[in-house]
Amino acid sequence: QKEVEQDPGPLSVPEGAIVSLNCTYSNSAFQYFMWYRQYSRKGPELLMYTYSSGNKEDGRFTAQVDKSSKYISLFIRDSQPSDSATYLCAMVRGSNYKLTFGKGTLLTVNP
Amino acid sequence: ETGVTQTPRHLVMGMTNKKSLKCEQHLGHNAMYWYKQSAKKPLELMFVYSLEERVENNSVPSRFSPECPNSSHLFLHLHTLQPEDSALYLCASSQLGQGHHEQYFGPGTRLTVT
Repeated sequence: QKEVEQDPGPLSVPEGAIVSLNCTYSNSAFQYFMWYRQYSRKGPELLMYTYSSGNKEDGRFTAQVDKSSKYISLFIRDSQPSDSATYLCAMVRGSNYKLTFGKGTLLTVNP
Repeated sequence: ETGVTQTPRHLVMGMTNKKSLKCEQHLGHNAMYWYKQSAKKPLELMFVYSLEERVENNSVPSRFSPECPNSSHLFLHLHTLQPEDSALYLCASSQLGQGHHEQYFGPGTRLTVT
């Protein structure tokens, strides 16, 4: 079983839709969770960083962590064409520097 | 310059060439990383430097040779590469310690080996 599973998509939604992106993981030692956005031909850009179960909101983005189910989500409200990108989840054990990434989900928001 | 910068952005090289990738971080971080990103695969960690000391060498072939002369600069020296080494090479930096785990990435170097 892979440590981090992420559906690669592609996911296509109309503008204004609510988008839900998800990752599951198998290692209960993961304590810190991140979401990165990567536009085509660019490096990953940090979107959200969380370390506890529950929700964290930043503008149109909400990161959700459920440690009991080993499941994390990123919600995008009122999606825009500019949100079209690949979204990568990443996670790390508490005392470690080594991030474990999902494969990424390719999202397209159609005008 | 801000954040993490990488040069060159694109590189085409033959299998017998020697080239170097350069990374510079302007964030005052104490750790730097090299990653390889190939299509349909998760990011692969190649090397980690913490306070200019290599702390991770993730079973990377010797045709890749990293160098970290100071906490702001990181190089990846390439020689006698194979076509399967074609990928996006990403540099990242972070501030280790004090509960920080997030890494900040550069734009990457798109490498094509012919």
